Amino acid sequence: GAGVSQSPSNKVTEKGKDVELRCDPISGHTALYWYRQSLGQGLEFLIYFQGNSAPDKSGLPSDRFSAERTGGSVSTLTIQRTQQEDSAVYLCASSLGYRDSNYGYTFGSGTRLTVV
Amino acid sequence: AQTVTQSQPEMSVQEAETVTLSCTYDTSENNYYLFWYKQPPSRQMILVIRQEAYKQQNATENRFSVNFQKAAKSFSLKISDSQLGDTAMYFCAFMKPIRDMRFGAGTRLTVKP
Repeated sequence: GAGVSQSPSNKVTEKGKDVELRCDPISGHTALYWYRQSLGQGLEFLIYFQGNSAPDKSGLPSDRFSAERTGGSVSTLTIQRTQQEDSAVYLCASSLGYRDSNYGYTFGSGTRLTVV
Repeated sequence: AQTVTQSQPEMSVQEAETVTLSCTYDTSENNYYLFWYKQPPSRQMILVIRQEAYKQQNATENRFSVNFQKAAKSFSLKISDSQLGDTAMYFCAFMKPIRDMRFGAGTRLTVKP
């Protein structure tokens, strides 16, 4: 696609439910990143994928968070048993590859998750 | 671990004037990259400018320029001839080569007519 696409744009869920957030990177981009942006805060790194390599999960805040990337393209971030502190904007970004990431990422418009 | 500090949570500037946003970072690396991103209300992060640490020359992009002081670990953004469309959150970011990007807490800039 022309840009990084994220869906849904907004999601309201009840505490304790599971949610899935989707990211469709730019076609041909092999590197994909997830960030979390809590209200009024900066971006917190969650996880990144590079090609077929094992993902770097070092930023995931708890074992309720997981992500996968199928076929080296679309990625899904799953939050199980959501808590109110999970409310945030979840941003996805992609770059052409490892080395091209030095030129910066292209971000999607994010998913605003609200846990009630 | 690398940390990025933006000490100005909010700033304002009159249209057509110049404003400087501050950013400092902490690293023991010698080779790295620095970025400024703009985030308007649409939430999409837009790359404003990029600096390679091994280049002494400060990066410029039209009305946007940086003052990169490697020894002081400082990377400020100067916006000249401010426009109403510059109103946004601005994030400073640091990245080691082939690693994830780390961001500061942001500065909310308001351009007043």
